[in-house]
Amino acid sequence: GAGVSQSPSNKVTEKGKDVELRCDPISGHTALYWYRQSLGQGLEFLIYFQGNSAPDKSGLPSDRFSAERTGGSVSTLTIQRTQQEDSAVYLCASSLASGRSYEQYFGPGTRLTVT
Amino acid sequence: ELKVEQNPLFLSMQEGKNYTIYCNYSTTSDRLYWYRQDPGKSLESLFVLLSNGAVKQEGRLMASLDTKARLSTLHITAAVHDLSATYFCAVETSGSRLTFGEGTQLTVNP
Repeated sequence: GAGVSQSPSNKVTEKGKDVELRCDPISGHTALYWYRQSLGQGLEFLIYFQGNSAPDKSGLPSDRFSAERTGGSVSTLTIQRTQQEDSAVYLCASSLASGRSYEQYFGPGTRLTVT
Repeated sequence: ELKVEQNPLFLSMQEGKNYTIYCNYSTTSDRLYWYRQDPGKSLESLFVLLSNGAVKQEGRLMASLDTKARLSTLHITAAVHDLSATYFCAVETSGSRLTFGEGTQLTVNP
C-alpha cells in the first residue's frame, strides 16, 4: 500500500518568509510525528499527534513553529518568519498507535533551504 | 535529558569482515529501534527490539538489546558493499517519541 508522503520534496525560501510543509500518513495510522534532520543537530523530535488528543509540542524549537492535523489524517507543519537555522530535512512519520511499540514509518522528507 | 550515543560514528570496513555498532542510552527504556538511511533518502526500519534480551536477525545484520546495561548492538557479518549506509538507533520514550543516536556512517570497501 501507499507509504507516508510529503510535499513539497524541496523548498527554497527567503529568510523571513513563512512556509508550509505537508504530510499524508499511511491510511489507518492514528499517530503522526514530525522530526527534523540537520547537520548540526542530527535527528530531532518536533511534535506528535495521537487521535483526538492534544498534540505533544514539546520538541518545537520556537513559537515560530506550529503544526496541525486535520480530520485525524493530513498534517501541516508551518514555520513562520523562517531563519537560516531552520534549514533542514523535515521528516514525517506515522504509526498505528502511540503508547505501544508500533513501528514508525517515515516519509521521504521535505528539504527546506532558507536563503 | 535522554542521551543516545552511538559508537563508532564512522566505520570503514572491508567486504567479508565482521563488525559491531554500539548504541548506549541514558534512561530506562525497553523499546529500541534500528534504522538505515541511504544518502538523500529517508529512514528505513530495520529492527524493533521490545524487551530485554531481544535478538533479531535479518540477512547479515543482527541486533540485540540489553535493557539493564542500556545497550543495543548491531552486528554485521561478512559485510558486503550494499550495506554501506548510515545506521541510526532510536530509543522510544514517553508518548512513543523517538530519540535518535548520532548515526554510524558505514562504508564497505571491496
